[in-house]
Amino acid sequence: DGGITQSPKYLFRKEGQNVTLSCEQNLNHDAMYWYRQDPGQGLRLIYYSQIVNDFQKGDIAEGYSVSREKKESFPLTVTSAQKNPTAFYLCASRDAGTGFQPQHFGDGTRLSIL
Amino acid sequence: RKEVEQDPGPFNVPEGATVAFNCTYSNSASQSFFWYRQDCRKEPKLLMSVYSSGNEDGRFTAQLNRASQYISLLIRDSKLSDSATYLCVVYSGGGADGLTFGKGTHLIIQP
Repeated sequence: DGGITQSPKYLFRKEGQNVTLSCEQNLNHDAMYWYRQDPGQGLRLIYYSQIVNDFQKGDIAEGYSVSREKKESFPLTVTSAQKNPTAFYLCASRDAGTGFQPQHFGDGTRLSIL
Repeated sequence: RKEVEQDPGPFNVPEGATVAFNCTYSNSASQSFFWYRQDCRKEPKLLMSVYSSGNEDGRFTAQLNRASQYISLLIRDSKLSDSATYLCVVYSGGGADGLTFGKGTHLIIQP
């Protein structure tokens, strides 16, 4: 089935450690996004990418990094510089064709600090 | 600053009732509007897209009022399974970063 796959579902980070969250889509979508959601809060944009080998910072990019080497993959690294990483991380993609098509989300990764 | 505002609720509604809630947006250039449903500890799922005056899908109706800059979501004959948080998303152009999410309205359908 076509869709967006995030892994792992749960992740624990130790102090000073970098961790990478995986996001893969087989929808042939051009645009991909990473959001962070804190309890009772809305989604905040971390990074987005419209095409391969290109990405832009969102509203809260500090302490995070991404890469877009393949169309179907957009991994997010939470670096040790991100001092408050505990949150629900959501990856999304959309078709960047005619008109504005809505985003579709993966089922998320919950990150916690050990 | 671009803004999308939603009443956080919770809206407590008896099963079978009709419920409606609004989402207001500040950017008059907003082009496309979406309602997502998010269950507790799950990802948002697209419920409806609104590109012109409105859209209807079964028990759900979304309406757009450009003059007053709000979109509404109406749920008829509400079911227990409709309990969720409903997110309003507005696209105002400017490429991929033209999206603004509301913080959501929490709906609880009571038996």
